[in-house]
Amino acid sequence: GEDVEQSLFLSVREGDSSVINCTYTDSSSTYLYWYKQEPGAGLQLLTYIFSNMDMKQDQRLTVLLNKKDKHLSLRIADTQTGDSAIYFCAEIDDYKLSFGAGTTVTVRA
Amino acid sequence: SQTIHQWPATLVQPVGSPLSLECTVEGTSNPNLYWYRQAAGRGLQLLFYSVGIGQISSEVPQNLSASRPQDRQFILSSKKLLLSDSGFYLCAWDTGGDYGYTFGSGTRLTVV
Repeated sequence: GEDVEQSLFLSVREGDSSVINCTYTDSSSTYLYWYKQEPGAGLQLLTYIFSNMDMKQDQRLTVLLNKKDKHLSLRIADTQTGDSAIYFCAEIDDYKLSFGAGTTVTVRA
Repeated sequence: SQTIHQWPATLVQPVGSPLSLECTVEGTSNPNLYWYRQAAGRGLQLLFYSVGIGQISSEVPQNLSASRPQDRQFILSSKKLLLSDSGFYLCAWDTGGDYGYTFGSGTRLTVV
């Protein structure tokens, strides 16, 4: 996890947008990923972005990639209570995923 | 369809006791298999990975070992557990592409 860094906590009001940020170090990573972990569960792949893309949108999720700054972000529009979870970003190196420490998102009414 | 199974879901073991966690994958052949550990409040640490039967690579030297006796079976073991082995253990698989892993539901291990 040392190569991928994320802020640890984010609190957001229901209906607002959430933005989770991540920085990574491996510029050769072909894909970057966002995973979601609900309490007591395994990780679920939310979305991924190919390294030659700047943006990817999938329903309420928008991924932005700044390769120059090695910065990745995940925006969740119209955040709902079901979005409360830990979100991990990950880079891939030689088919092995390296994860950040995870951002715990808490959605308040 | 492809599925991954991990068991048990929770486990409480005394210090010094042995450990065996099992992971099996269905619906695919020759997957890459991974064991990760998630300590409380921390990220995921890759412990072992395997690209084929009998092939195990260790990422972090420790009290644990892994084995892959069959193509779709991955086992995490310890001869004597330490308190520091407590954590959430996750098994995952992929087929070597760049499309991310599929994770099992995890095993919560508490060493007392």
